[in-house]
Amino acid sequence: GDSVTQMEGPVTLSEEAFLTINCTYTATGYPSLFWYVQYPGEGLQLLLKATKADDKGSNKGFEATYRKETTSFHLEKGSVQVSDSAVYFCALSTNSGYSTLTFGKGTMLLVSP
Amino acid sequence: DTAVSQTPKYLVTQMGNDKSIKCEQNLGHDTMYWYKQDSKKFLKIMFSYNNKELIINETVPNRFSPKSPDKAHLNLHINSLELGDSAVYFCASSQARAGQTQYFGPGTRLLVL
Repeated sequence: GDSVTQMEGPVTLSEEAFLTINCTYTATGYPSLFWYVQYPGEGLQLLLKATKADDKGSNKGFEATYRKETTSFHLEKGSVQVSDSAVYFCALSTNSGYSTLTFGKGTMLLVSP
Repeated sequence: DTAVSQTPKYLVTQMGNDKSIKCEQNLGHDTMYWYKQDSKKFLKIMFSYNNKELIINETVPNRFSPKSPDKAHLNLHINSLELGDSAVYFCASSQARAGQTQYFGPGTRLLVL
């Protein structure tokens, strides 16, 4: 079945450091890929998405590129802020049938001043 | 404008009780979902409805019964609550077509004592 693997956290960084959160997937066909973010005490918000190979999703300084050859969708940000502290979820949705999401286990990011 | 709303936000109850959680979306979507997030933040799909019809029913105890009175509402009723039901329950909605973005509610934090 479909699955998503994310690096385990927490990831602890100082403000303005470079962020990478690794995400790889296993799926039949060509899924759409998502990064969702969950701030403390809140629901999930879509951060960015990519629907086909080589697409780059970007939002709020975060980027991720859909790499079919390595089945990866790593999240990056050049300079993190304290306000980026949250749990980040990588997810996929297969492009057949109904839209269902398979999530990774989430990676907690802690940014200190 | 709240896109996906859930009530209540917090629910504390005794083992053996029956409780309901309500979800409403004003995005005009035709598909709604319930997810369970455990204490380790892992998210798992429970149910999905498309146009008021159940389309996904994962391995969930039959004490959990979803009901969709119309496309904009999806409620979750839980009978005979157990300690292990303590979790955060998220409602989400999307268009049915595969690969569509799902929009999440703020979550209902259920604590069973």
